[in-house]
Amino acid sequence: DTEVTQTPKHLVMGMTNKKSLKCEQHMGHRAMYWYKQKAKKPPELMFVYSYEKLSINESVPSRFSPECPNSSLLNLHLHALQPEDSALYLCASFYTVVRDRGFHGYTFGSGTRLTVV
Amino acid sequence: DAKTTQPNSMESNEEEPVHLPCNHSTISGTDYIHWYRQLPSQGPEYVIHGLTSNVNNRMASLAIAEDRKSSTLILHRATLRDAAVYYCILRDTGGTSYGKLTFGQGTILTVHP
Repeated sequence: DTEVTQTPKHLVMGMTNKKSLKCEQHMGHRAMYWYKQKAKKPPELMFVYSYEKLSINESVPSRFSPECPNSSLLNLHLHALQPEDSALYLCASFYTVVRDRGFHGYTFGSGTRLTVV
Repeated sequence: DAKTTQPNSMESNEEEPVHLPCNHSTISGTDYIHWYRQLPSQGPEYVIHGLTSNVNNRMASLAIAEDRKSSTLILHRATLRDAAVYYCILRDTGGTSYGKLTFGQGTILTVHP
C-alpha cells in the first residue's frame, strides 16, 4: 500500500455541525500533515504530527482540532466552521530511508473537498 | 522559510520538451529543492528533488545551477497529462528529520495538442 487515503472525498456541513476528516497511511511513515487549499491558491500548512505528537500548529483556529490516535491514522475534527473555511483539505505523510537521508519525500492524499453552508 | 520564484504560467506543445525555471537565491546549504505537481482536483504529486547534483528519474530531470540559486525542471516530452500546476519548493527541515513543504504560487503548465 503506497497511498495516503482520505475520507470522505466530499463533505457538506452546516455551521453548527461537528464533523471529522480522516486520513490513513499504512506505509510506516511517522510524520503526517494537514494542509488547507483554497480555490486557485497553493496548499497552506495547518498541522504536523511526528510520532503521533503534534509538533507544528500554524496558528490554526481552534474550530479545527487535529488528532493522531496511532501511527497510521490522522483525524481533523471540525466544529462551528464558517463558510470561508470551505476548501480542499489535504493530508500528507513524510518518508525517508534511514541509511540515505537524501532519499525522502512527501506523499499526499487526494483531499476532502469541504463546503460549509 | 526560503522563498522560490516561478513564472505564473507556461505553455508547451505535446511531445516537445518543457523547461520550468525556478529561482531560489536565498537557498541555504542544507535546503533540498523539491518539485511537486498538482493536477486538477487532485493532491500534489512528487516529481523530483535534489540537493546539488542534477537528478533524473522516470518523470523528469532536475538541473541545478552550480551556485544553487536556481534550478530547472525538465519534462523531456510533454503529454496532455502533464498539464498541471508545478511547484518548486525548498524543503524546510526546521531542525527536524521530517521538515515541511511551504508552497509558493507555482507555474501553471498548459500543454497544447
